[in-house]
Amino acid sequence: KAGVTQTPRYLIKTRGQQVTLSCSPISGHRSVSWYQQTPGQGLQFLFEYFSETQRNKGNFPGRFSGRQFSNSRSEMNVSTLELGDSALYLCASSHPEYGSSQYKNIQYFGAGTRLSVL
Amino acid sequence: AQSVTQPDIHITVSEGASLELRCNYSYGATPYLFWYVQSPGQGLQLLLKYFSGDTLVQGIKGFEAEFKRSQSSFNLRKPSVHWSDAAEYFCAVGPFNTNAGKSTFGDGTTLTVKP
Repeated sequence: KAGVTQTPRYLIKTRGQQVTLSCSPISGHRSVSWYQQTPGQGLQFLFEYFSETQRNKGNFPGRFSGRQFSNSRSEMNVSTLELGDSALYLCASSHPEYGSSQYKNIQYFGAGTRLSVL
Repeated sequence: AQSVTQPDIHITVSEGASLELRCNYSYGATPYLFWYVQSPGQGLQLLLKYFSGDTLVQGIKGFEAEFKRSQSSFNLRKPSVHWSDAAEYFCAVGPFNTNAGKSTFGDGTTLTVKP
């Protein structure tokens, strides 16, 4: 099976612009999560989509948004870019396993998109 | 709220020496625990996971981890480190149930391997 694919791998934008990042999950995975990784804040959860619905959201401003398509591919959009948005954006896909009265997911990560805001 | 602490920001070991990376978690019930490794400029690769059962879990690349409920720890070990193990290592809790898409990560430990 192919892994999680993120495109593009690198992006350079200027302040005020907007950007769209793409993530194709592992075949059969319906959950896609997005994380922001920076040296100062580490790995922070942005949001998760499952079956085209946002199921979970982290503490990020409304400039960060996402969506998921019927084929489970997901896009993340950042509007009005700020210098502080420079980061590695990671996408993870998963498929729930049910056991012991709980659902649990194993997340598999893509290589990320490195966004630089100038 | 769940949290993960990796007390060591940076560890240096000699090639061939043993390795232990520490991870402590805070959660009200039995957590689902993971270790990931990240090479420079790359995404996270899953090394191993603990859901339940045997508290000593084996992973890829010769790594193992031990879950100790009494110490709220999930330390990663390797008996003999190779130069290619130099990377950043992340311990994580979750995801499950209502937080099904959210993992909580520690701040990471950077491993340097001396020749």
